[in-house]
Amino acid sequence: AQSVAQPEDQVNVAEGNPLTVKCTYSVSGNPYLFWYVQYPNRGLQFLLKYITGDNLVKGSYGFEAEFNKSQTSFHLKKPSALVSDSALYFCAVRERTGGFKTIFGAGTRLFVKA
Amino acid sequence: EAGVTQFPSHSVIEKGQTVTLRCDPISGHDNLYWYRRVMGKEIKFLLHFVKESKQDESGMPNNRFLAERTGGTYSTLKVQPAELEDSGVYFCASSQKGFAGELFFGEGSRLTVL
Repeated sequence: AQSVAQPEDQVNVAEGNPLTVKCTYSVSGNPYLFWYVQYPNRGLQFLLKYITGDNLVKGSYGFEAEFNKSQTSFHLKKPSALVSDSALYFCAVRERTGGFKTIFGAGTRLFVKA
Repeated sequence: EAGVTQFPSHSVIEKGQTVTLRCDPISGHDNLYWYRRVMGKEIKFLLHFVKESKQDESGMPNNRFLAERTGGTYSTLKVQPAELEDSGVYFCASSQKGFAGELFFGEGSRLTVL
C-alpha cells in the first residue's frame, strides 16, 4: 500500500537559516511527488512537483525539493527561511499507473523565528 | 478565475443528524476529489470523480457517506447519520486532465459532531 511519512511534526528554524522538511514514501514504481503548503484557515496550495528528469525541482516562493530514488525521499528545502514561510507543509505521492489517487503525509509544521 | 469553493465553512451538528457538504470545482476541471483530515493526522483520500462518474471510492469510510456529482459540475458529500468520529475537515480538490497535474484545493469544510 502507498504511504507517505513526514517524520517531524514540527521544524523550527531561525529566519535567514536554511530549512529542510523531510519526506519519505513507499509506493510501487516511480511516483509523481508533490509538496503543498497550508496557511491558517486556507486550503492547501501547490508548491512544486517532481515528474521526471532533474532530481532537484524548483517551485514557488524559493522552495526546492530533492528527489532521491534510492532513499525514496523527497525533502523540501529553502536556502534562507522567512518568517512568512511559517505554515503547515504536506508531502504527497501519486502512482504513475492505476489511477489518480494522491496520498498525503500527516504534515509538518514549520515555525520560522525572527 | 474562481478557485475551488466549499460550503459550509463550518458545521456543528448533533450525533445522528445529517449534513451535506458542497464543492464547486474550478470550471473545466474534470477531476474532483474529496479528502478528510482528522486533527493532526494525514489527509485521507475519500473518493475521486471524473466528470460525473465515480472513478475511485475506496476511501469512503462506510455507507453513511454518499457523494454525488450531478452533471459533472459541483459535488455534494452527505453524511447520514453523523457519528462523533466523522468530525474533521473535509477538503475538496479539483484538477485538469492528465496524471501529473497538481490538485487545487478549497478551503475546507470543518465538521464538528457533538
